[in-house]
Amino acid sequence: GAVVSQHPSRVICKSGTSVKIECRSLDFQATTMFWYRQFPKKSLMLMATSNEGSKATYEQGVEKDKFLINHASLTLSTLTVTSAHPEDSSFYICSAREAGVETQYFGPGTRLLVL
Amino acid sequence: GDSVTQMEGPVTLSEEAFLTINCTYTATGYPSLFWYVQYPGEGLQLLLKATKADDKGSNKGFEATYRKETTSFHLEKGSVQVSDSAVYFCALSDGGNKLVFGAGTILRVKS
Repeated sequence: GAVVSQHPSRVICKSGTSVKIECRSLDFQATTMFWYRQFPKKSLMLMATSNEGSKATYEQGVEKDKFLINHASLTLSTLTVTSAHPEDSSFYICSAREAGVETQYFGPGTRLLVL
Repeated sequence: GDSVTQMEGPVTLSEEAFLTINCTYTATGYPSLFWYVQYPGEGLQLLLKATKADDKGSNKGFEATYRKETTSFHLEKGSVQVSDSAVYFCALSDGGNKLVFGAGTILRVKS
């Protein structure tokens, strides 16, 4: 089946630093990738949608300058949390979708803790 | 806009009990409906889906039927196991990019 990986699985960083999270589709070409944020005991909130080779589309209320998304190839998207603060601590999950296929396949998530 | 409402948890059951997790939706068109499962410490996995009215999705003993008349997609399993303990998310897609998720229901199965 379709497999999506994320790296790292967890990261701890100091306030003010930047953190990059990678999302890879391992056995299919992901024309569209999505980034979600999941708060404790809450549902997933879509942050942004990225199509390969295009600029990401951000959801309302998500700061595009803080959460930089790059989708440079059909198998890789990155989310960079710039100048991280403790309130950015969360579980970040990516998903990927092939062209013409509705189902999204999710990565295992990255737990970010900002001290 | 589109929305998904799930029953609040946690749901606590004994092994081999019958499971129902209610899910209702609001959508302007004819969405596809999904159930995702998240095991502790892991990401979401697609459990089952249905793309049109009266379709039944099934997987691993779980099933859900797309009921357009009641705008529901309730998840059922006849006999739960301890290994089914997880968070279950109901979601819809209108065919565009977005998945709209419910709040999730925690299921705890005790032996």
